[in-house]
Amino acid sequence: NAGVTQTPKFRILKIGQSMTLQCAQDMNHNYMYWYRQDPGMGLKLIYYSVGAGITDKGEVPNGYNVSRSTTEDFPLRLELAAPSQTSVYFCASSYRRGVTGRSTNSTDTQYFGPGTRLTVL
Amino acid sequence: AQKITQTQPGMFVQEKEAVTLDCTYDTSDPSYGLFWYKQPSSGEMIFLIYQGSYDQQNATEGRYSLNFQKARKSANLVISASQLGDSAMYFCAMRDVNAGKSTFGDGTTLTVKP
Repeated sequence: NAGVTQTPKFRILKIGQSMTLQCAQDMNHNYMYWYRQDPGMGLKLIYYSVGAGITDKGEVPNGYNVSRSTTEDFPLRLELAAPSQTSVYFCASSYRRGVTGRSTNSTDTQYFGPGTRLTVL
Repeated sequence: AQKITQTQPGMFVQEKEAVTLDCTYDTSDPSYGLFWYKQPSSGEMIFLIYQGSYDQQNATEGRYSLNFQKARKSANLVISASQLGDSAMYFCAMRDVNAGKSTFGDGTTLTVKP
């Protein structure tokens, strides 16, 4: 298994340009996530998906869009790049059974991709 | 809303000694998961250990253990017998079991001295 893969590894954009960050997983995970990590900070959730066709906003969704047409892929779209979007972007996935009430060990662990370092100038 | 607080921006430990990295959390959900991740200078996020809110025993994974005190809402990471390769940023995270959202702390940078 390749796990979670992200492309590209690095990208420099000009203000106002758009691009799509690609994320794919081959672990048949139902949940997928996009985070951004600013220098010296923790990860902030941008969007997440609980399955194909279902997405929801996280903590910092403005300026981004996502889609989930397949279980494997979860691309993140930046429409009008701004310097504030300079960050490292991580994609992650996890597998959750339909659990209510009690947490089940090892089914909620998120596995991360290697990250995409994006600079907007 | 969930919140994770890591109060130690940086920590130093002597090689082969134990170190505790602090994490406190806040949530109104009765069911949640707590995680620790390691981020070395290369940038990848490495899962270390997980604790479920209903687990009776503290989680352990090799040299890592999680000191879970539910009433105090703390989930400290203990690393025993520190190694030079343990030098990295460490993140505490909480997961809403039902909604699927995760919240990360701002991290603690651990430096292991030879």
